[in-house]
Amino acid sequence: ETGVTQTPRHLVMGMTNKKSLKCEQHLGHNAMYWYKQSAKKPLELMFVYSLEERVENNSVPSRFSPECPNSSHLFLHLHTLQPEDSALYLCASSQEGQYGYTFGSGTRLTVV
Amino acid sequence: AQSVAQPEDQVNVAEGNPLTVKCTYSVSGNPYLFWYVQYPNRGLQFLLKYITGDNLVKGSYGFEAEFNKSQTSFHLKKPSALVSDSALYFCAVRDTGTYKYIFGTGTRLKVLA
Repeated sequence: ETGVTQTPRHLVMGMTNKKSLKCEQHLGHNAMYWYKQSAKKPLELMFVYSLEERVENNSVPSRFSPECPNSSHLFLHLHTLQPEDSALYLCASSQEGQYGYTFGSGTRLTVV
Repeated sequence: AQSVAQPEDQVNVAEGNPLTVKCTYSVSGNPYLFWYVQYPNRGLQFLLKYITGDNLVKGSYGFEAEFNKSQTSFHLKKPSALVSDSALYFCAVRDTGTYKYIFGTGTRLKVLA
């Protein structure tokens, strides 16, 4: 375990479903991130939260909705997704003034 | 714009042979460079970083990387490859002055027994 825990590990959902991905970190970090990993593409930064405030949203479709209720928890709420949204969704955390991320193991999402 | 390139989709090497995984970068100012490894169905794990100082950086699992400013490269190396080193390797650069990291597309390393 890296200190960043993601649940569920796997998720299959229909295009009309609503689901949420959860990320939890116990490292005392003050920034958290959602990344999307698709085959043969660079990791795509989706959202950044620093001190529980969203500081970046890289033009992600509104069918993805993040939530950061506190510095240890991060959610990604999903609704009316498309098949092309199928990917590995990675959560990461970091601490201001330190270099590098700590990643979770990811949630493998399949949209059918 | 800051960017990082990994020119090889896959690298094959025989067990026991030295390995190199290539990375080049483009940044304004001093680069902060990183290597991460991803095993199947796992997240990325930190291997090593270059912030400042010695150009040869040593990291986890016997890996090292050489920072070359003139060639804007940060190649990952290991003197003797193991089958267990087979994984996906990502090079990353920290966007100067921000918290953002820019990742390459990844290089799949396959070590053959």
